[in-house]
Amino acid sequence: SQQGEEDPQALSIQEGENATMNCSYKTSINNLQWYRQNSGRGLVHLILIRSNEREKHSGRLRVTLDTSKKSSSLLITASRAADTASYFCATAPGGKLIFGQGTELSVKP
Amino acid sequence: EAQVTQNPRYLITVTGKKLTVTCSQNMNHEYMSWYRQDPGLGLRQIYYSMNVEVTDKGDVPEGYKVSRKEKRNFPLILESPSPNQTSLYFCASSLSMGSGGIQYFGAGTRLSVL
Repeated sequence: SQQGEEDPQALSIQEGENATMNCSYKTSINNLQWYRQNSGRGLVHLILIRSNEREKHSGRLRVTLDTSKKSSSLLITASRAADTASYFCATAPGGKLIFGQGTELSVKP
Repeated sequence: EAQVTQNPRYLITVTGKKLTVTCSQNMNHEYMSWYRQDPGLGLRQIYYSMNVEVTDKGDVPEGYKVSRKEKRNFPLILESPSPNQTSLYFCASSLSMGSGGIQYFGAGTRLSVL
């Protein structure tokens, strides 16, 4: 069964707008990671947030983690066309990294 | 430059013809893994290796073999490919498996089995 599930499955916005993606998971975690995948390419690690952290920033990325609700969100501010990609959350219950199904983000110029 | 290199990037083959997809990493990572990605099914782990000569099945190992004779290399072998193995394959490596280590992915191998 899927450990992480992203919501929405697809998101289309205009350049300059903010994009928010959510991830829910089922079991307790030590950390949660977000990855990005450009069409047909390998995943690239974006950010890791530990279970004792509530918020983390990296450039235009802001990640929050709510362990009581078993959920995380990824916010991309001032989006650009180059942000068009799929975004995956990943957790590691039992040590093995498991990816969600991803959110497909389309940023229109 | 730190990287995971997969070859080939694209491969078209026929049912039953053995093939190998190579994977090499230059980061001295202990943990390596193979995934396949299919529409609607996400990324599914095929096999993983925690160190040299230590390999284990992932979620979808049927029809695949792996070996880890050297730390840097982790080839994926399809002894008798079938059309249901048509997919996008990724190799990944990380420093360790524990606590969900950050994984570094190769560029992918798109395989078509006719």
